[in-house]
Amino acid sequence: QKEVEQDPGPLSVPEGAIVSLNCTYSNSAFQYFMWYRQYSRKGPELLMYTYSSGNKEDGRFTAQVDKSSKYISLFIRDSQPSDSATYLCAMSAVGKLTFGTGTRLQVTL
Amino acid sequence: GAVVSQHPSRVICKSGTSVKIECRSLDFQATTMFWYRQFPKQSLMLMATSNEGSKATYEQGVEKDKFLINHASLTLSTLTVTSAHPEDSSFYICSASPGKAGNTIYFGEGSWLTVV
Repeated sequence: QKEVEQDPGPLSVPEGAIVSLNCTYSNSAFQYFMWYRQYSRKGPELLMYTYSSGNKEDGRFTAQVDKSSKYISLFIRDSQPSDSATYLCAMSAVGKLTFGTGTRLQVTL
Repeated sequence: GAVVSQHPSRVICKSGTSVKIECRSLDFQATTMFWYRQFPKQSLMLMATSNEGSKATYEQGVEKDKFLINHASLTLSTLTVTSAHPEDSSFYICSASPGKAGNTIYFGEGSWLTVV
């Protein structure tokens, strides 16, 4: 079993839809949770960073962490074509990141 | 915000030659930097942890003599791919954190290596 599981997609949604991206994990030592966005042929860009259970909102993005269920989510409201990218969840316990496989999102007009 | 710069962004080299990729933290000091490799449509795979002033820590299956890492200062780590082969062609990405374990980790823009 992988430490971090993420549905690779692809996920296709119409513009304006709410997108839900999810990861599950098995390592209870993970304390820090991040979501990165990666456009094709580019390095990952940090979107959200959190270290506690609950919700964290930043503009159209909301990160949700449920440590009891070992489950994290990223919600994107009012999705735009420019949101089309691969979204990677990442977790760390002692600084070293463990990534999910990434979910490819396509937002269509 | 914190920025990590990586150079070159794209490089083509001949088989058997060596290629050096630089990773710089531009506005913070990083005692630890990480090097990843990413094949097309796959996630990032950690290759090694670069420690300033000491030897790098390599992940299982990564040849330390082939992928030389030097972290000579608090703002610079280099990855040298020695005796490159076509199968080394990949996207190499570094990351660095301005603080202790768990602090926000930022990535460079990545370097595309093509070995012909």
